[in-house]
Amino acid sequence: AQSVTQPDIHITVSEGASLELRCNYSYGATPYLFWYVQSPGQGLQLLLKYFSGDTLVQGIKGFEAEFKRSQSSFNLRKPSVHWSDAAEYFCAVGSANQAGTALIFGKGTTLSVSS
Amino acid sequence: DTEVTQTPKHLVMGMTNKKSLKCEQHMGHRAMYWYKQKAKKPPELMFVYSYEKLSINESVPSRFSPECPNSSLLNLHLHALQPEDSALYLCASSPRLLPGNTEAFFGQGTRLTVV
Repeated sequence: AQSVTQPDIHITVSEGASLELRCNYSYGATPYLFWYVQSPGQGLQLLLKYFSGDTLVQGIKGFEAEFKRSQSSFNLRKPSVHWSDAAEYFCAVGSANQAGTALIFGKGTTLSVSS
Repeated sequence: DTEVTQTPKHLVMGMTNKKSLKCEQHMGHRAMYWYKQKAKKPPELMFVYSYEKLSINESVPSRFSPECPNSSLLNLHLHALQPEDSALYLCASSPRLLPGNTEAFFGQGTRLTVV
């Protein structure tokens, strides 16, 4: 069965420092991968997605992610974190072999930004 | 217009009440979804509609009743809920059914409290 693991429950980063949020997936075929961000009490906003092609994808708000098939990973990165980046981050995968299955989410990583 | 609009934003209801949540999108998307999200947890899929037909019902209790009157509108009818049903209810839409080369757009959610 498909699954997504986000190993870090909570991360604190200093403002201006770099950020990497980890995501590992379990899937037998080419995965469709997403990163979403959620501010408290709000909906989910898509940061970036990977379907195929270039394994380094650029997203909104200065985020990027790299797909590494050999490591089954899709880690999210940002070179310089801003206080407004504090939020919950979800990695998600869609299954290409189970038509009709919607997104499967990881448990999320809470990002805190210290000044 | 790239928005998914959910109303109301907040809802408090008693266990004997009947209420409805509404979701609307005007992006021409043909797939729509209801998710339930408890605090500090990832979204959990409840229902999937594709071309206005129910595609997936993830074993949701019958006190939740979805309806898709047209391709732009998705309702979730609530009846005889329990306090443990209190959660953030998220609606999403995608151009075509996930998974695949498509992405889901989420609304801001309805915060439901059952008293």
